[in-house]
Amino acid sequence: NAGVTQTPKFRVLKTGQSMTLLCAQDMNHEYMYWYRQDPGMGLRLIHYSVGEGTTAKGEVPDGYNVSRLKKQNFLLGLESAAPSQTSVYFCASDRDRGTYNEQFFGPGTRLTVL
Amino acid sequence: RKEVEQDPGPFNVPEGATVAFNCTYSNSASQSFFWYRQDCRKEPKLLMSVYSSGNEDGRFTAQLNRASQYISLLIRDSKLSDSATYLCVEKKGGKLIFGQGTELSVKP
Repeated sequence: NAGVTQTPKFRVLKTGQSMTLLCAQDMNHEYMYWYRQDPGMGLRLIHYSVGEGTTAKGEVPDGYNVSRLKKQNFLLGLESAAPSQTSVYFCASDRDRGTYNEQFFGPGTRLTVL
Repeated sequence: RKEVEQDPGPFNVPEGATVAFNCTYSNSASQSFFWYRQDCRKEPKLLMSVYSSGNEDGRFTAQLNRASQYISLLIRDSKLSDSATYLCVEKKGGKLIFGQGTELSVKP
């Protein structure tokens, strides 16, 4: 099993450009998440999904959109990138909302917006 | 006030030392807690869950004090390979809430 994979690993954008980050998991997990991590800060939840076709806002959703058309994939979109979106983005998946389930993380996407 | 707070460190300790990290949380209704480990520029990985009765895994011991709303992680006999950032994490409604992390550097 590959676990959780993310594409791309690195990306540099200019302000105003758009892009989509892809997350894929092969563990048949229901729940998927997108986080961002900035220097000196913990991970913050952007959006999440509790199943195919569902999405919900997290702590910092502004400027991002998501889609979960297939159970194994969770896409994060930036329609008009801003320098404040320079960050490391992590995707994660979870079997369900069980109290002591482990969330599995992808390797991250390092995004720079100039 | 942040929901989960940690001392950011860094903690610089010699090999073989015992080191303890504390973490406080603000929501008394919080369900479950974890310690994740994050190596430089990599993804977080689960180190251990934190149970009310406390739990131990080799050199690592986690404790939860619900009355005082804090979680601790004790690392005994530190190894060079323990150098990393340790993230205190609360799980609520299926979502993880992270502290800012505590950096540990173990020196020879």
